[in-house]
Amino acid sequence: DAKTTQPPSMDCAEGRAANLPCNHSTISGNEYVYWYRQIHSQGPQYIIHGLKNNETNEMASLIITEDRKSSTLILPHATLRDTAVYYCIVRPWNNAGGTSYGKLTFGQGTILTVHP
Amino acid sequence: GAVVSQHPSWVICKSGTSVKIECRSLDFQATTMFWYRQFPKQSLMLMATSNEGSKATYEQGVEKDKFLINHASLTLSTLTVTSAHPEDSSFYICSARAWGTSGSPYNEQFFGPGTRLTVL
Repeated sequence: DAKTTQPPSMDCAEGRAANLPCNHSTISGNEYVYWYRQIHSQGPQYIIHGLKNNETNEMASLIITEDRKSSTLILPHATLRDTAVYYCIVRPWNNAGGTSYGKLTFGQGTILTVHP
Repeated sequence: GAVVSQHPSWVICKSGTSVKIECRSLDFQATTMFWYRQFPKQSLMLMATSNEGSKATYEQGVEKDKFLINHASLTLSTLTVTSAHPEDSSFYICSARAWGTSGSPYNEQFFGPGTRLTVL
């Protein structure tokens, strides 16, 4: 019962921007959009998250539509090391502490392949 | 970002034996830790959630007597696969979440590198 929809796979040329879309049409007002990625045989790596404003960090940019029903993760200059499975996850924000509320539920993600 | 370690990184055991996997948060205190399992070419599946000092909460379909979880300190959680069988062979991944000081909750989850379990 994943709450997000992502394309199963995408390709990108090295040095170009990779734009990974995600649909989350049933997102609730208290849910954030999180992005993680998993390189083969490793644990997932946190990339970025946002609520309604666009966010940018050293790894990527996150663009969230005004109605919050979809978002796009942007890797501005993809490298071969960015080849991974990218997961878009919606999760309620909880600052109460010490509970399982807001656990991450992984869907199938998008396999991004960056080629030379 | 915060660092989470797992030990061992891989283990091979005989059917019927028990295996313990450790998960440590190295530079922060984790009030909550999560254990996931991932089969080949599949996504991560949450097995259980543990809060420091209390019993773990298991997801539906996960046998709590088979997968024993202990979260005795703010930096260490262990998963013990009891009487392991070949179908338990999988990639086990832990995740840790910390809480910041009042007014600045620190809610990201950080994942360990995973433990590859092979049961012969």
